[in-house]
Amino acid sequence: NAGVMQNPRHLVRRRGQEARLRCSPMKGHSHVYWYRQLPEEGLKFMVYLQKENIIDESGMPKERFSAEFPKEGPSILRIQQVVRGDSAAYFCASSPMGLAGGYTGELFFGEGSRLTVL
Amino acid sequence: DAKTTQPTSMDCAEGRAANLPCNHSTISGNEYVYWYRQIHSQGPQYIIHGLKNNETNEMASLIITEDRKSSTLILPHATLRDTAVYYCIVRSSGNTGKLIFGQGTTLQVKP
Repeated sequence: NAGVMQNPRHLVRRRGQEARLRCSPMKGHSHVYWYRQLPEEGLKFMVYLQKENIIDESGMPKERFSAEFPKEGPSILRIQQVVRGDSAAYFCASSPMGLAGGYTGELFFGEGSRLTVL
Repeated sequence: DAKTTQPTSMDCAEGRAANLPCNHSTISGNEYVYWYRQIHSQGPQYIIHGLKNNETNEMASLIITEDRKSSTLILPHATLRDTAVYYCIVRSSGNTGKLIFGQGTTLQVKP
């Protein structure tokens, strides 16, 4: 059973371009979480999605950032008109269910996508 | 959400037990304590979690005090590969169950 797969692992964009980061959760997992880690800082929650639904987007910047988790395919974190401050590692985690559904087990993290904005 | 307090950094000699403390004095009855670690800039790795009873797995032991206001993660025989940032997290369904990472404890295992 493959783990959480994130791609690309490294992405370089120029200011003003768009960045799309993909996360394929573990097989059977329908819950996805996105986190951002700025250089030399901790992990910050961004958004929590279930298939076709955004459950919690309290950590998402109000502009330029969006996320989706369609019925088929990976979850996508999209950053429009990137700025240098968006340079960070973006981690995705998945779980088979949410805590509200009674799941108290671990979240499984991917190895991250590292975005560099020139 | 219950806030956690951890020491910023700790050292441990290779082969010795590493005991990492965590205070969570505002924890409520339905909140679990989770421990994760992040080695260098890799993805966070789950270690262990518990509610009120002590827990042990192949990686570590988790000791939770009777009043649940603090806990200790124990790595029984630390190796150089255990050098990492260790995060103690309290998680509840009240906030949709997301994990909120603090600053963690940087554990340096020394030869």
